[in-house]
Amino acid sequence: DIQMTQSPSSLSASVGDRVTITCQASQDINNYLNWYQQKPGKAPKLLIYDASNLETGVPSRFSGSGSGTDFTLNISSLQPEDVATYYCQQYDNLFSFGPGTKVNVK
Amino acid sequence: QVQLVESGGGVVQPGRSLRLSCAASGFTFSAYAIHWVRQAPGKGLEWVALISDNGSNKFSADSVKGRLTVSRDNSKNTQYLQIYGLRPEDTAVYYCARENLAGGGFDYWGQGTLVTVSS
Repeated sequence: DIQMTQSPSSLSASVGDRVTITCQASQDINNYLNWYQQKPGKAPKLLIYDASNLETGVPSRFSGSGSGTDFTLNISSLQPEDVATYYCQQYDNLFSFGPGTKVNVK
Repeated sequence: QVQLVESGGGVVQPGRSLRLSCAASGFTFSAYAIHWVRQAPGKGLEWVALISDNGSNKFSADSVKGRLTVSRDNSKNTQYLQIYGLRPEDTAVYYCARENLAGGGFDYWGQGTLVTVSS
């Protein structure tokens, strides 16, 4: 099984700040990595697929990078509506999610 | 527009079984793999199972392997998840989600249905 870890588990930043969330896989997953945003009481929303491709309709302040075992989700300028939990997901060997990173605004 | 609607959740006693449904509309259902993902109260996302577009390939997570059946009826645009021998740790919101054609990403999700396993 491929295990996914994320850091930090939570963060608090000011509006306009750059936010970085990291995701690490227990083995090489190539670029088979997606990022999701989940707001309280809602279903997750796909943000980034294949590590760096922005899903249609997602604001350009979101970006993804990385390959192999180490990946990053960046929010270039944090907005109040970005308050959510963010999950990475691998699909190199079946599917599994990271534990999530909760993002708050100061 | 694309819609996925889950149903069938509720309160069920430990050891019993439950069948969840995922009704799809707004897209060519038979062209897409569909997944089940669950989320225990206050916890993260857990992938549960997958059925391919034509139903020929099925996979499930180790945590539920041997206790579930996934099936689909493409004539009814509906997918089913049956879980047997329910345990308290199966308590969760169960989501169905469509896998995008590029592969791997879940681009549309239902609103979820809550399953509570309790005596």
